[in-house]
Amino acid sequence: DARVTQTPRHKVTEMGQEVTMRCQPILGHNTVFWYRQTMMQGLELLAYFRNRAPLDDSGMPKDRFSAEMPDATLATLKIQPSEPRDSAVYFCASAPGGQGYNYGYTFGSGTRLTVV
Amino acid sequence: AQSVAQPEDQVNVAEGNPLTVKCTYSVSGNPYLFWYVQYPNRGLQFLLKYITGDNLVKGSYGFEAEFNKSQTSFHLKKPSALVSDSALYFCAVSLLGALMIYNQGGKLIFGQGTELSVKP
Repeated sequence: DARVTQTPRHKVTEMGQEVTMRCQPILGHNTVFWYRQTMMQGLELLAYFRNRAPLDDSGMPKDRFSAEMPDATLATLKIQPSEPRDSAVYFCASAPGGQGYNYGYTFGSGTRLTVV
Repeated sequence: AQSVAQPEDQVNVAEGNPLTVKCTYSVSGNPYLFWYVQYPNRGLQFLLKYITGDNLVKGSYGFEAEFNKSQTSFHLKKPSALVSDSALYFCAVSLLGALMIYNQGGKLIFGQGTELSVKP
């Protein structure tokens, strides 16, 4: 089965350090999403891209978070500097273009980030 | 504002009994509705969707959901629950339909999730 690959699966870092999370979307999917999951807030959409262009990053704290797609096979989410409140599970998801997103997204297994 | 509500944080069901996980939505335009399931330490998996047509949609693992436009609901159901159905379930709405502008479509808004526990 085609899958969305996220690395690393787990990350523990100290406050103030830079964190980079990576996502490899399914080949041929041109829409990529970043979600954050916490107990308090549930699933929050941070940003999404279509054809590598950012469409909406209004859910992302701009001062410390940045999301990019250097190429069609890689999406990155960076936090600099990281803070304890950033501790969460970060999910990447991808979807086909056109009407393909009608069929739902495919999620990766997530990166569990702990900032101490 | 568009939103999705799952009024129950947890649903407990005995194995073999029918289950219902509730979802209501508030959107402008015609909603596209989805259910996802999340097993521990895993990403979300797509279960089923309503786009148009028959109000009762069938999905994976024997689940089905009924779209009710007048009640703005999309409840998830299964006639006979299994212990292996225990997981976190998310309802989601996609802002499509009336917003059929390519670049603006496809963004999913999720409910808070309902934890389903099926006991033997």
